[in-house]
Amino acid sequence: EDQVTQSPEALRLQEGESSSLNCSYTVSGLRGLFWYRQDPGKGPEFLFTLYSAGEEKEKERLKATLTKKESFLHITAPKPEDSATYLCAVQAGNTGKLIFGQGTTLQVKP
Amino acid sequence: NAGVMQNPRHLVRRRGQEARLRCSPVKGHSHVYWYRQLPEEGLKFMVYLQKENIIDESGMPKERFSAEFPKEGPSILRIQQVVRGDSAAYFCASSPRTDNQPQHFGDGTRLSIL
Repeated sequence: EDQVTQSPEALRLQEGESSSLNCSYTVSGLRGLFWYRQDPGKGPEFLFTLYSAGEEKEKERLKATLTKKESFLHITAPKPEDSATYLCAVQAGNTGKLIFGQGTTLQVKP
Repeated sequence: NAGVMQNPRHLVRRRGQEARLRCSPVKGHSHVYWYRQLPEEGLKFMVYLQKENIIDESGMPKERFSAEFPKEGPSILRIQQVVRGDSAAYFCASSPRTDNQPQHFGDGTRLSIL
């Protein structure tokens, strides 16, 4: 069964304290791995797509990497505005459905 | 560019009533997906539609739930005879194609059942 597990569930950082979020997946025929950010009361906001092991994508303080079994979202020198829930999702098979992890809720304190 | 628009943002229904949730995809996107987020749970896929066709409804409850995406107008998720357990946030997403394209989400409809 296709499965996505994110860790930790919650993460508290001081402003400027870098860290990484983990997304482990078990899926047959990975077509893409997606990272989203979700703020309270809002829908998920697309961040990155990764397609193959070894691929990396960067955007401001965020960097996403992908191996054959997991993906990491590295946050460098985070700011309070980076506080949000970060969601990982995989797409597999012939339809476009996404399988989401439970998310990591990040809180960055000034 | 307008993103995915969902309405209403909040919907309150009494048990046994019907709920209709609407979704207008990003202009030019012909693929629509519905997801449900139950309290304290992650997003779960419900249904995938293209214009006038249901492609994958493997995540839809067998009874009371239906979805459509007509040739003209928004996609509709319909829940008949709602029960307390239907209380959740329902999100719609759209993409221009299926193959590896990111899905763009609306801000959801929060459904509350009294």
